[in-house]
Amino acid sequence: GAGVSQSPSNKVTEKGKDVELRCDPISGHTALYWYRQSLGQGLEFLIYFQGNSAPDKSGLPSDRFSAERTGGSVSTLTIQRTQQEDSAVYLCASSLGQGVFGNTIYFGEGSWLTVV
Amino acid sequence: DQQVKQNSPSLSVQEGRISILNCDYTNSMFDYFLWYKKYPAEGPTFLISISSIKDKNEDGRFTVFLNKSAKHLSLHIVPSQPGDSAVYFCAASEGNYGQNFVFGPGTRLSVLP
Repeated sequence: GAGVSQSPSNKVTEKGKDVELRCDPISGHTALYWYRQSLGQGLEFLIYFQGNSAPDKSGLPSDRFSAERTGGSVSTLTIQRTQQEDSAVYLCASSLGQGVFGNTIYFGEGSWLTVV
Repeated sequence: DQQVKQNSPSLSVQEGRISILNCDYTNSMFDYFLWYKKYPAEGPTFLISISSIKDKNEDGRFTVFLNKSAKHLSLHIVPSQPGDSAVYFCAASEGNYGQNFVFGPGTRLSVLP
């Protein structure tokens, strides 16, 4: 596709359930990022994939969060046993390489997660 | 503890006037700075950037100023247009690595016709 595609765009889930959020990056982009934005907060880095290298998971807030990237393309962010504080917009982004100074990082429209 | 702060959650400006969006940071190691713009229901889009070796970068109606000693940067939009109404995020990084960027909470700009 032309841009970064995320699904679902909206998800309401019950506390304690698992959710999966999907990201389809721009074709040919080797770097993929997950961020989240909680109400009133800035974008919080979660995880970064670059090619075949081991992902940078330093931003994941707890072991309930995990992500994988299959075949160097599509990525899935999984949140297990969701809590209300997980409610946020989850943004995926991709770039051609290692995020060369900003202007090559393209964001998707986000997945709005509400945990009730 | 926010490393990147945008203390004005919202700003209203008349069309044709100057919009000034401010951003402060606490980490003196930050050396790359960016502004992103976000419309409702869309992802953020890159607007303009500056590295610490400069104090000003201009792109059309958009100019970013960096004051390293004050750990402050600002985005000027002149003249402001109704289509500029959006949320503006400031981001800072130590080194030009995408995963290192720290984003501020954003400022919602409303340009009134």
